[in-house]
Amino acid sequence: DAKTTQPNSMESNEEEPVHLPCNHSTISGTDYIHWYRQLPSQGPEYVIHGLTSNVNNRMASLAIAEDRKSSTLILHRATLRDAAVYYCILCPYNQGGKLIFGQGTELSVKP
Amino acid sequence: KAGVTQTPRYLIKTRGQQVTLSCSPISGHRSVSWYQQTPGQGLQFLFEYFSETQRNKGNFPGRFSGRQFSNSRSEMNVSTLELGDSALYLCASSIGTGTHNEQFFGPGTRLTVL
Repeated sequence: DAKTTQPNSMESNEEEPVHLPCNHSTISGTDYIHWYRQLPSQGPEYVIHGLTSNVNNRMASLAIAEDRKSSTLILHRATLRDAAVYYCILCPYNQGGKLIFGQGTELSVKP
Repeated sequence: KAGVTQTPRYLIKTRGQQVTLSCSPISGHRSVSWYQQTPGQGLQFLFEYFSETQRNKGNFPGRFSGRQFSNSRSEMNVSTLELGDSALYLCASSIGTGTHNEQFFGPGTRLTVL
């Protein structure tokens, strides 16, 4: 299973943008990049996913490097509710039910 | 739509016993995956079921097993419990097995082994 590398922790101020990086230098051509987050005392929740092109949804944006060896999750305006552990996961094609979680990035948001 | 439900929410067992955890997926979802979360190892994939068949299995001993029923509900069983099995067990469901399918997680079952 291909691995991802994320910073252990990051800090942000409320209402400012947050850029959460992820390195995945051993990504294969059929690996999708998924992001999940886990709020305190809850199960993980889906944030966004992509393959090659940048993606946007109501929660966040995903910027994928041209060589696909890194990606960045962008929260446009952090709120206190965004404080969570964010996981960047490589998901092989047709293996959507098998998520291999790394250590993730613990994001704290200051008021 | 109701979310993923897991029962029981909390469980206390002693070493050597066995335990069965239950997961009811979101209506219409046919894929169920199980994960173990501990402070030391983080979130680890246990197994995935789709249409009553195990599709993927993580790196766990044979004491960990699971099954899925025709209504997509799933159970996991751990036999001969060890102290190290104390963990939060999470179940996730999705419509199918494709990479585009978002997984929806339940609240988990907190298992304590004494």
